[in-house]
Amino acid sequence: NAGVTQTPKFQVLKTGQSMTLQCAQDMNHNSMYWYRQDPGMGLRLIYYSASEGTTDKGEVPNGYNVSRLNKREFSLRLESAAPSQTSVYFCASRGDRSNEKLFFGSGTQLSVL
Amino acid sequence: AQSVTQPDIHITVSEGASLELRCNYSYGATPYLFWYVQSPGQGLQLLLKYFSGDTLVQGIKGFEAEFKRSQSSFNLRKPSVHWSDAAEYFCALRGGADGLTFGKGTHLIIQP
Repeated sequence: NAGVTQTPKFQVLKTGQSMTLQCAQDMNHNSMYWYRQDPGMGLRLIYYSASEGTTDKGEVPNGYNVSRLNKREFSLRLESAAPSQTSVYFCASRGDRSNEKLFFGSGTQLSVL
Repeated sequence: AQSVTQPDIHITVSEGASLELRCNYSYGATPYLFWYVQSPGQGLQLLLKYFSGDTLVQGIKGFEAEFKRSQSSFNLRKPSVHWSDAAEYFCALRGGADGLTFGKGTHLIIQP
């Protein structure tokens, strides 16, 4: 059981380049999330998707777009990367509301030069 | 607005000693509260959660936490730490909106 899978694990971009971070879960979860983790800042919610076909902004959505391609996949896109987007990005998923447990991927370390 | 405060950025504890990590929250009602642990280079793993009922909750790896409404706190404890407990610990809450609000984390160092 793979859980939540993120690709790539590491990426280096130049300012202005674009890229998409991929996330897939095999637990048939409805809700999926993208967080960024910065030193001393904890995790901050970028976007989330409560169900297939819906997405909503979190705390720090500027500079990002997301796509809930199907129930399994939730991608995060940086259209024009900036050094401020250097961070570790985590995808997570959650099952039903009675549980509230988040399952996290292992993260993508992104550096924007 | 909801928020989570973890007052201690770093904590150093000797192996075998007891541990308490502090967490305070701000939310208008009783939130759902969580403690997650992150080992180096890994994602986060749920240690325990509080929704309602008994204010002392037990989690995995011998951890427990106590919800105190009067103090808006949800402190994590362990009677005797092991070297493998060295990690980053995050307190989080879920209020009305979807997604969790995390504290900034406490880095736990275990001395031999």
